[in-house]
Amino acid sequence: SQQGEEDPQALSIQEGENATMNCSYKTSINNLQWYRQNSGRGLVHLILIRSNEREKHSGRLRVTLDTSKKSSSLLITASRAADTASYFCATDNGGSQGNLIFGKGTKLSVKP
Amino acid sequence: DSGVTQTPKHLITATGQRVTLRCSPRSGDLSVYWYQQSLDQGLQFLIQYYNGEERAKGNILERFSAQQFPDLHSELNLSSLELGDSALYFCASSLRGGLSNEQFFGPGTRLTVL
Repeated sequence: SQQGEEDPQALSIQEGENATMNCSYKTSINNLQWYRQNSGRGLVHLILIRSNEREKHSGRLRVTLDTSKKSSSLLITASRAADTASYFCATDNGGSQGNLIFGKGTKLSVKP
Repeated sequence: DSGVTQTPKHLITATGQRVTLRCSPRSGDLSVYWYQQSLDQGLQFLIQYYNGEERAKGNILERFSAQQFPDLHSELNLSSLELGDSALYFCASSLRGGLSNEQFFGPGTRLTVL
């Protein structure tokens, strides 16, 4: 079953604009991760945020986490055509195992 | 390149058949995870191994089985294949098997069942 749900399902923007994707999840978590997938290829880890963190930055990426609302957002600033991909949030289920539970993803299209 | 390799890249087979997917984790990683990605179900966790032992089980059908060998490579066996088993199968690895571990994904095996 899905843990996270990304919103929107699809997002189309122009190069240079910012892209914001949201993720909601259902159970308590230890951490939340964001992954990127280019069409039909493997997933690439972007960033991990722990449940006791509220915000984290990595290059042009900014992730926030609100555990009271069970939600997270991923902001990509100054987007580039090469950012075109699907973005997934993934959580653990609050247990001790490391397997990830993925949302259905947001398909981002950045037009040059 | 994540350092995780998967073979074969593509596999086309018929219903009722059995196939084996292979995964080699990144050098030094002890944990291997298998995921299935399909259009209707999205990305689903199947099973995790850590240093040769099964660690966690997800939505893995009884027709599917996996193992991790002493050299840490892993194989996912899918038998009595059905049309609905057509999907992308990903292997991922991490250094350890617990929480807060970044997982490195392989390029996937695309399975088509005709």
